[in-house]
Amino acid sequence: DSGVTQTPKHLITATGQRVTLRCSPRSGDLSVYWYQQSLDQGLQFLIQYYNGEERAKGNILERFSAQQFPDLHSELNLSSLELGDSALYFCASSGKDRGRNTIYFGEGSWLTVV
Amino acid sequence: GQNIDQPTEMTATEGAIVQINCTYQTSGFNGLFWYQQHAGEAPTFLSYNVLDGLEEKGRFSSFLSRSKGYSYLLLKELQMKDSASYLCAVSPTFSGGYNKLIFGAGTRLAVHP
Repeated sequence: DSGVTQTPKHLITATGQRVTLRCSPRSGDLSVYWYQQSLDQGLQFLIQYYNGEERAKGNILERFSAQQFPDLHSELNLSSLELGDSALYFCASSGKDRGRNTIYFGEGSWLTVV
Repeated sequence: GQNIDQPTEMTATEGAIVQINCTYQTSGFNGLFWYQQHAGEAPTFLSYNVLDGLEEKGRFSSFLSRSKGYSYLLLKELQMKDSASYLCAVSPTFSGGYNKLIFGAGTRLAVHP
């Protein structure tokens, strides 16, 4: 158990709909990351927050948005969903661990768009 | 730009040794990570290199050459449970991206009896 908690674990929704994925980082970690992994694809970096502020942006679509709240949990909002958005969405968090910033991943949220 | 290359698939025999290579070209370098990922599960941290040389951790070792943009993960005494994808990831340094990781596509390792 990495200590990163994601909900829901599985989600099936229709095209055009909107969903929210939720993430609680490891206790004490200030950085939260979101990654997308499509079937047989690598991990694609979407966005990073540090202590409530957006820190880096990757290949995140305009239909997607995220935020990190004062209690450090984060939400990823996916709207106007398309079939191609079906993927495993990982949240990860990092903090100082033996002098390095190792990233630890949650179990992921499986999103299926039908 | 950012580019990380590793072989797509490898096979090996139980009890043997396998080396998974990774080459990278990134805008800056702040460390290289190896993760293991079983299908449909979360990636789990295996090793970290920031200086040149070999880091050993039980059956797993990781090597880094920063001048060559090259790393490898060495798995010894292979077990069936080692069948998984192995992800090479680099932490680049640039002004807006504190510690984000760029991942390679992963190497799918199949261990056979």
